[in-house]
Amino acid sequence: DGGITQSPKYLFRKEGQNVTLSCEQNLNHDAMYWYRQDPGQGLRLIYYSQIVNDFQKGDIAEGYSVSREKKESFPLTVTSAQKNPTAFYLCASSPRTDSYQPQHFGDGTRLSIL
Amino acid sequence: AQKITQTQPGMFVQEKEAVTLDCTYDTSDPSYGLFWYKQPSSGEMIFLIYQGSYDQQNATEGRYSLNFQKARKSANLVISASQLGDSAMYFCAMSAGGGNKLTFGTGTQLKVEL
Repeated sequence: DGGITQSPKYLFRKEGQNVTLSCEQNLNHDAMYWYRQDPGQGLRLIYYSQIVNDFQKGDIAEGYSVSREKKESFPLTVTSAQKNPTAFYLCASSPRTDSYQPQHFGDGTRLSIL
Repeated sequence: AQKITQTQPGMFVQEKEAVTLDCTYDTSDPSYGLFWYKQPSSGEMIFLIYQGSYDQQNATEGRYSLNFQKARKSANLVISASQLGDSAMYFCAMSAGGGNKLTFGTGTQLKVEL
């Protein structure tokens, strides 16, 4: 079955530590996105990528970094510069970005601070 | 900049009744797309329905319909014949300005009762 796989499901970070969240898709989609969700709030865009080896900052990119070396993969690193990383992180993809299309989401990763 | 407003933090509806979830939006772009997503307690985001800004007719998908009133900038979701499994958080989202990036509202928690 085609879809988006996020791992791990739960992740704990120590102070000063960088952690990387994995996102893999087998939908052959060009575009991929990372969102953050805080309790009682909607999703906010962190980074997005429209094509391999290219990505753009979203609304809340500070303290995060991404890479897009392969079409299928769009990992998100939460750096130690992100002072409030506890949240639910969702990865999404869409076929392309030149028209309005539904994004398909993974099951998310819950990140907590130890 | 785009903005989505969902003014109903929580709603209750009896099984088999219809319910309307409100959504208003703001954008200066003449071309945009409006989406509704469902988020069960498990966390995944499930796409429900899409409405394009130039679509003449309201979108429908099974028990879901979108009441699109362009002049009022509203895109309300109507769920007919509610089921217990409809209990979830519902998010309205908009894409405008290119990149297929989504701006989300804060969501409405729907509870379907017997």
